Amino acid sequence: GENVEQHPSTLSVQEGDSAVIKCTYSDSASNYFPWYKQELGKRPQLIIDIRSNVGEKKDQRIAVTLNKTAKHFSLHITETQPEDSAVYFCASFGGTYKYIFGTGTRLKVLA
Amino acid sequence: DGGITQSPKYLFRKEGQNVTLSCEQNLNHDAMYWYRQDPGQGLRLIYYSQIVNDFQKGDIAEGYSVSREKKESFPLTVTSAQKNPTAFYLCASSSGGKKGSPLHFGNGTRLTVT
Repeated sequence: GENVEQHPSTLSVQEGDSAVIKCTYSDSASNYFPWYKQELGKRPQLIIDIRSNVGEKKDQRIAVTLNKTAKHFSLHITETQPEDSAVYFCASFGGTYKYIFGTGTRLKVLA
Repeated sequence: DGGITQSPKYLFRKEGQNVTLSCEQNLNHDAMYWYRQDPGQGLRLIYYSQIVNDFQKGDIAEGYSVSREKKESFPLTVTSAQKNPTAFYLCASSSGGKKGSPLHFGNGTRLTVT
């Protein structure tokens, strides 16, 4: 079946440094790739998304890149701040109308 | 997101009892989803529905049932057949269709079965 692999599972960075989280998807029919941020005990919130016909998208300190050939997509957070600390999930949406999530990355930004 | 309401926030049940989790949305979304989240783990799909009166099993449907009689409602029943029901349950919705669109989540229901 379809699956999404996400790495790393935990990531610690110093405040002000960059963080990169990578995902790989299996369904070649996938056409939409959202990223969610989840704080402890709360619901996931969409932070950025990208469609399959786009290679890169930026929103202030956050960017997502997509390599369709390799079936890879990545989240880049620059100038990290303590409030960026959370669990981040990637997901893919494709031909089966399902959103398949990665297993999450716990990001810790050290002040 | 005020558009999706899950109730209750916390639910306690005895083993062997069925329990129904409520999910209502006023976003006029066609598609609705149920996910289960266990501590330190990702989101696993239980059931999803693209349209009223139709739904499909996700990756972990065993021990669960759903209905989609109204566009705005997608209740999930956790039956006594579910071996490890204690978890955080998240309902979500999207506008649906072949092209993906943002998934909006409710605040979740934390179910504890003892």
